[in-house]
Amino acid sequence: EIVLTQSPGTLSLSPGERATLSCRASQSVSSSYLAWYQQKPGQAPRLLIYGASSRATGIPDRFSGSGSGTDFTLTINRLEPEDFAVYYCQQYVSSPLTFGGGTKVEIK
Amino acid sequence: EVQLLESGGGLVQPGGSLRLSCAASGFTFSNYAMSWVRQAPGKGLEWISSVTGSGGATFYPDSVKGRFTISRDNSKNTLYLQMNSLRAEDTAVYYCAKRPAVGTAFFEYWGQGALVTVSS
Repeated sequence: EIVLTQSPGTLSLSPGERATLSCRASQSVSSSYLAWYQQKPGQAPRLLIYGASSRATGIPDRFSGSGSGTDFTLTINRLEPEDFAVYYCQQYVSSPLTFGGGTKVEIK
Repeated sequence: EVQLLESGGGLVQPGGSLRLSCAASGFTFSNYAMSWVRQAPGKGLEWISSVTGSGGATFYPDSVKGRFTISRDNSKNTLYLQMNSLRAEDTAVYYCAKRPAVGTAFFEYWGQGALVTVSS
């Protein structure tokens, strides 16, 4: 089973700042089969990024993903008020499909 | 517009059973693999099952294998999750999720979730 470790656990930032979220895998995630999701309180997760760097439909370009192998990053440029939420990474290269523990981006 | 609407959640005693349903619309249901993902209160996300578009193949993690059964009725555009031998640790919001295409296993669309509480 591939374990995904997200860091930091909580990120305290102000609107307009840049957020950099990390997702580290216990084994190589080949073909960059890694996705990122955003979840707000009381809501279902929303797909942001797939294939490590491809934005899902309707996702603003201030969200970007990068990385390969075991180290992946989600960057949110110029945080908007609606971006404060919890973010999860997920690998889909092997079963069981697994998620990271999440990073909460909160308002400083 | 893709819509996924779960139903069937509720309170069940330990050792009991429950069946969740997910009504799908806005896409050709039989063409897409579907999955269930759960989230315990205040916790992260856990994948718990997937089924191919035809329903011919199913997949589970060890945590629910043998207790949970995923199925689908393509004539009704509905996904199901039969949960047996429920435990307190199965308490969670259960989401159905649509996968985008054959060979990919991320979750493109999610339902609003159904709360399952296992307690005496």
